[in-house]
Amino acid sequence: EAQVTQNPRYLITVTGKKLTVTCSQNMNHEYMSWYRQDPGLGLRQIYYSMNVEVTDKGDVPEGYKVSRKEKRNFPLILESPSPNQTSLYFCASRTGNTGELFFGEGSRLTVL
Amino acid sequence: GEDVEQSLFLSVREGDSSVINCTYTDSSSTYLYWYKQEPGAGLQLLTYIFSNMDMKQDQRLTVLLNKKDKHLSLRIADTQTGDSAIYFCAEKGGSYIPTFGRGTSLIVHP
Repeated sequence: EAQVTQNPRYLITVTGKKLTVTCSQNMNHEYMSWYRQDPGLGLRQIYYSMNVEVTDKGDVPEGYKVSRKEKRNFPLILESPSPNQTSLYFCASRTGNTGELFFGEGSRLTVL
Repeated sequence: GEDVEQSLFLSVREGDSSVINCTYTDSSSTYLYWYKQEPGAGLQLLTYIFSNMDMKQDQRLTVLLNKKDKHLSLRIADTQTGDSAIYFCAEKGGSYIPTFGRGTSLIVHP
């Protein structure tokens, strides 16, 4: 089954404790992206990757890092999380034909 | 930069039609999309329309595109409680990066 898998789905952590949210897709998509969703603000793009070893900043990259060492994986790293990074995070990958995005189920992060 | 606007809320009675509107600014948009997000889930593509089309119909869904006014709408006929969700309009233009609206929460009441 074609899917985008994120882990963890839920996480409560404390300020400053490094964490990684993993994302994996099984559709051989070149393009992958991370978004955060906050009430009233919709989806905002954090980082995206056009292919292996190619990453670029989205609209809200501050406080985040990403890497793309393999085509299927695109982890999101919070080196020193802060409370303003409390949010719902989505990973997505994209087909090149119609540009349809396939989203993961989301990771709800709370930073205390 | 490109912008996509949509109203935040829409409330309809079960059985009525729902119309969710969206405006965008990128005149080079090639594809326009409607995504649906059910509670506790990720977004899923509901339907899309290519920019050289005016209308697309798929069962209860009708998408209308007015390219001149840069206006996109999604009509859901015979709206059911299971249609309650957040609906996102999105467009893909010359940039490889899709732009999303803030989402419209559709509330269906009996």
